[in-house]
Amino acid sequence: DVKVTQSSRYLVKRTGEKVFLECVQDMDHENMFWYRQDPGLGLRLIYFSYDVKMKEKGDIPEGYSVSREKKERFSLILESASTNQTSMYLCASSLPGSAMTTQYFGPGTRLTVL
Amino acid sequence: KNQVEQSPQSLIILEGKNCTLQCNYTVSPFSNLRWYKQDTGRGPVSLTIMTFSENTKSNGRYTATLDADTKQSSLHITASQLSDSASYICVVTPNSGNTPLVFGKGTRLSVIA
Repeated sequence: DVKVTQSSRYLVKRTGEKVFLECVQDMDHENMFWYRQDPGLGLRLIYFSYDVKMKEKGDIPEGYSVSREKKERFSLILESASTNQTSMYLCASSLPGSAMTTQYFGPGTRLTVL
Repeated sequence: KNQVEQSPQSLIILEGKNCTLQCNYTVSPFSNLRWYKQDTGRGPVSLTIMTFSENTKSNGRYTATLDADTKQSSLHITASQLSDSASYICVVTPNSGNTPLVFGKGTRLSVIA
């Protein structure tokens, strides 16, 4: 079974702090994604990566950056956390190429910024 | 603009009853449509996937239908169980290279005893 793990299930940070959210997948997937999920808004794509050291902006990249130094790890960075970044963050991974490939999601990190 | 609209926003049903969730999309060209189930506090898990040429796909008590002409899909749950309580998300894959998925906002289903 594909396993996507996220470093924390719950995280509480203060405004202005630098926050790192880590995601690791064990199936050698090329593609990795970071989403945030908010009530009434559904999942929104922040950043994605189709290869090591490669990144593409999603729909809402402002206030975030990412790092993909190794194939299995994709990190989401909040340079200076703000209260409007309080959300559920979901990481996903998939095989490349075909649109039929399934995205496998991690359990999510619920981030609260005070 | 590519969009996916789901209805209802939330639904409460009695255990053992059937229910149907709706999904309308404007994504074009379109490759496939998936339904995901997301338990509270967990990540989404894929239930079904249909290409534009498929009309129906079943996964146990879950049956998804697709009408590519009207751009509508439905997810029918038969003989609901308490464990069906979750959010159900409709996701459409555009048929254009690495274009990201288009997500609906989900339907929150509560099954009560």
